[in-house]
Amino acid sequence: DGGITQSPKYLFRKEGQNVTLSCEQNLNHDAMYWYRQDPGQGLRLIYYSQIVNDFQKGDIAEGYSVSREKKESFPLTVTSAQKNPTAFYLCASRPRRDTLNTEAFFGQGTRLTVV
Amino acid sequence: AQSVTQLGSHVSVSEGALVLLRCNYSSSVPPYLFWYVQYPNQGLQLLLKYTSAATLVKGINGFEAEFKKSETSFHLTKPSAHMSDAAEYFCAVRGQYGNKLVFGAGTILRVKS
Repeated sequence: DGGITQSPKYLFRKEGQNVTLSCEQNLNHDAMYWYRQDPGQGLRLIYYSQIVNDFQKGDIAEGYSVSREKKESFPLTVTSAQKNPTAFYLCASRPRRDTLNTEAFFGQGTRLTVV
Repeated sequence: AQSVTQLGSHVSVSEGALVLLRCNYSSSVPPYLFWYVQYPNQGLQLLLKYTSAATLVKGINGFEAEFKKSETSFHLTKPSAHMSDAAEYFCAVRGQYGNKLVFGAGTILRVKS
């Protein structure tokens, strides 16, 4: 089955530690996105990538880093510089970067809790 | 820049009643509009999308939405609510020259038996 796989589903980390969230897609999509979801705030864009080896900051990139070495993979690292990392993180992808009417497909999310 | 406002963070309806979830957008260019549904601790699933082909868009699970340019609205409706419709709903917009999808804050729909 084609889709987007995020792992792990739940993640607990101590304050001050870096943590990497995995996102893998087998849909052959060019564009991939990371969103952060907090109650009552909708989804906010952290980083996005439209092609391999290229990515851009979204609206709330501070304290996060990404890489796009392979088309299928777009891991997100939550660094110790992120002041309030506890949240639900969603990865998404789109077929082509130049077709604006196509929807984004979402993974099942990773809930990160920092203690 | 594009933005989305969803009126009402919580909406409660009785089973069998009309569902109306409101979405107003702001865009300086013709928009592409989307409605997504999210069940607890899951990702988002597309309900429907407006891409300028028709102003009344039909989606999955009996939902539909009407694009009204004069009102800058894209409200989501369903004639008869089912218990399984209880979830959070997000409206999103993408502008003509943007690759980013901008989401509203979401509306939690509760269905009472």
